[in-house]
Amino acid sequence: RKEVEQDPGPFNVPEGATVAFNCTYSNSASQSFFWYRQDCRKEPKLLMSVYSSGNEDGRFTAQLNRASQYISLLIRDSKLSDSATYLCVHSGAGSYQLTFGKGTKLSVIP
Amino acid sequence: DTAVSQTPKYLVTQMGNDKSIKCEQNLGHDTMYWYKQDSKKFLKIMFSYNNKELIINETVPNRFSPKSPDKAHLNLHINSLELGDSAVYFCASSQSLSMDGEQFFGPGTRLTVL
Repeated sequence: RKEVEQDPGPFNVPEGATVAFNCTYSNSASQSFFWYRQDCRKEPKLLMSVYSSGNEDGRFTAQLNRASQYISLLIRDSKLSDSATYLCVHSGAGSYQLTFGKGTKLSVIP
Repeated sequence: DTAVSQTPKYLVTQMGNDKSIKCEQNLGHDTMYWYKQDSKKFLKIMFSYNNKELIINETVPNRFSPKSPDKAHLNLHINSLELGDSAVYFCASSQSLSMDGEQFFGPGTRLTVL
């Protein structure tokens, strides 16, 4: 089983739509979780950290479910500028190494 | 001002050649990394340096040798390039080895081996 699994997409959604991505991880000892965003032919950038209590940043909401070993990202009121690949990332217990998923591609259509 | 910079941005070379990629960060961070992103977009850590000391050395061929002359620089030298080395190589840095630390990535070096 891969360490981090994501639906590669693409998710094609109209502007204004709400879209959700899930990501599952296999290492139950994983400690920290993040969503990174990578635009086409660009470098990854941190979008948000994911906390056990869930966290929200504007139109973006991230949730962590340790029991089921998945994290989610919800994007409300999608904008054209949200088009990108969203990478699910985690680090294991005692490890500073970040493990990246292959990403989910989102295209927001006018 | 660029936080993490890499040179060159593009590198096209023949199999068997030796090449280097340079990385510099002006964020004052203690930790720097090299990642490889292959054609399937899978981003994988290769090396990590903390205060110029190698911390992580993932299972990469010993043809790849990182060098950190100081905390702000982490270079990657590749000997005897192979077709499978074609990928985008990203340098990154973080404040420290903290698991909650954000990593800042450079723009990437797109390596094509012919």
